[in-house]
Amino acid sequence: DTAVSQTPKYLVTQMGNDKSIKCEQNLGHDTMYWYKQDSKKFLKIMFSYNNKELIINETVPNRFSPKSPDKAHLNLHINSLELGDSAVYFCASSQNSRSGELFFGEGSRLTVL
Amino acid sequence: GENVEQHPSTLSVQEGDSAVIKCTYSDSASNYFPWYKQELGKGPQLIIDIRSNVGEKKDQRIAVTLNKTAKHFSLHITETQPEDSAVYFCAASLFSGGYNKLIFGAGTRLAVHP
Repeated sequence: DTAVSQTPKYLVTQMGNDKSIKCEQNLGHDTMYWYKQDSKKFLKIMFSYNNKELIINETVPNRFSPKSPDKAHLNLHINSLELGDSAVYFCASSQNSRSGELFFGEGSRLTVL
Repeated sequence: GENVEQHPSTLSVQEGDSAVIKCTYSDSASNYFPWYKQELGKGPQLIIDIRSNVGEKKDQRIAVTLNKTAKHFSLHITETQPEDSAVYFCAASLFSGGYNKLIFGAGTRLAVHP
């Protein structure tokens, strides 16, 4: 029944590793997002896809690569993890790209050691 | 680009008191201002929003006001309850290029003490 679900919820890994976070929404929304929340709770947009097409790509290192196989899924792959990548990553969706109401997942806490 | 500032960063009130959180934004073209509540271990959830053609909106114990001239908007919670304890985020959005991009404030941690 979960509207926006992301896995894994927790991820602990070593510097230099590559990891992925997956996100799925069952709301029938057209638009999906990845946000990063740092230790001070600041929420910053990273990417947005609308019907599988990239529409927002903020200043994010190219080690971060989003992929949207279909409009219900948006995955985030991170290469060569660094200490500063430690954060909570939130997936969200909205009905379409014009809608301002975002539905967030519960977050994936990434810890890089 | 848009910049949103939010104050205070922490707020502690007694149950039954009112709480007010204030935000300012920089881009006068922004036209949508939502407020999100984030409970511990959860994702943010929309609680109320206001569009630039409206000055005030109320939903039970929560209300939002918008002053477009001053580029200020505020969240008011009356008769606070312990379950109102959470982190609250304001955001501003500009519809441009066919999509909305939400820029969030830094958040306010509200603690309501019984």
